[in-house]
Amino acid sequence: EDKVVQSPLSLVVHEGDTVTLNCSYEVTNFRSLLWYKQEKKAPTFLFMLTSSGIEKKSGRLSSILDKKELFSILNITATQTGDSAVYLCAVYSNYQLIWGAGTKLIIKP
Amino acid sequence: EAGVAQSPRYKIIEKRQSVAFWCNPISGHATLYWYQQILGQGPKLLIQFQNNGVVDDSQLPKDRFSAERLKGVDSTLKIQPAKLEDSAVYLCASSHYRGPNSPLHFGNGTRLTVT
Repeated sequence: EDKVVQSPLSLVVHEGDTVTLNCSYEVTNFRSLLWYKQEKKAPTFLFMLTSSGIEKKSGRLSSILDKKELFSILNITATQTGDSAVYLCAVYSNYQLIWGAGTKLIIKP
Repeated sequence: EAGVAQSPRYKIIEKRQSVAFWCNPISGHATLYWYQQILGQGPKLLIQFQNNGVVDDSQLPKDRFSAERLKGVDSTLKIQPAKLEDSAVYLCASSHYRGPNSPLHFGNGTRLTVT
């Protein structure tokens, strides 16, 4: 059965810290991996990764995929209180999008 | 570009009542999705449309849930009758096309509380 596992489930850090969120997967036919940020209700798209070793970067956020070890990480540097959210990882296997349960990140001022 | 529009934002109903949600996807997006998200879990796909045809409704509880996408644009999701376990956030999403290289864009969702 296809599955996506995110860790940790929750994380509390202080403003200015750097955090690393993990997403591991076991799927039958990997096509792509997506990261979303969910504040309140609507998930907003962050990154889509298809190739190993190529870092995607947007401001203080970056992500990389390792297709050999079957995981991805999302890094956030110099965290701000506005980064507090649930971060969701999803993997496309064939035409199915398999979602993780998310990591709840809380940034303390 | 305008985002995915959903209404209502919140709905509180009693069990056994019916409820309907509406979604207007991003213009030009062929694929539309309805997800159910229970607190602390990832989104669960209920139904996926490609234009006005259903391509995946394997996890839709068809005895109580129904959805349609007339003319391949707007969509409605209905629950009749509602159960307590239907309390969740219902998210609508759209993408340019169906496939792994077309990210989903989500609406703000509807928080449903069934009492």
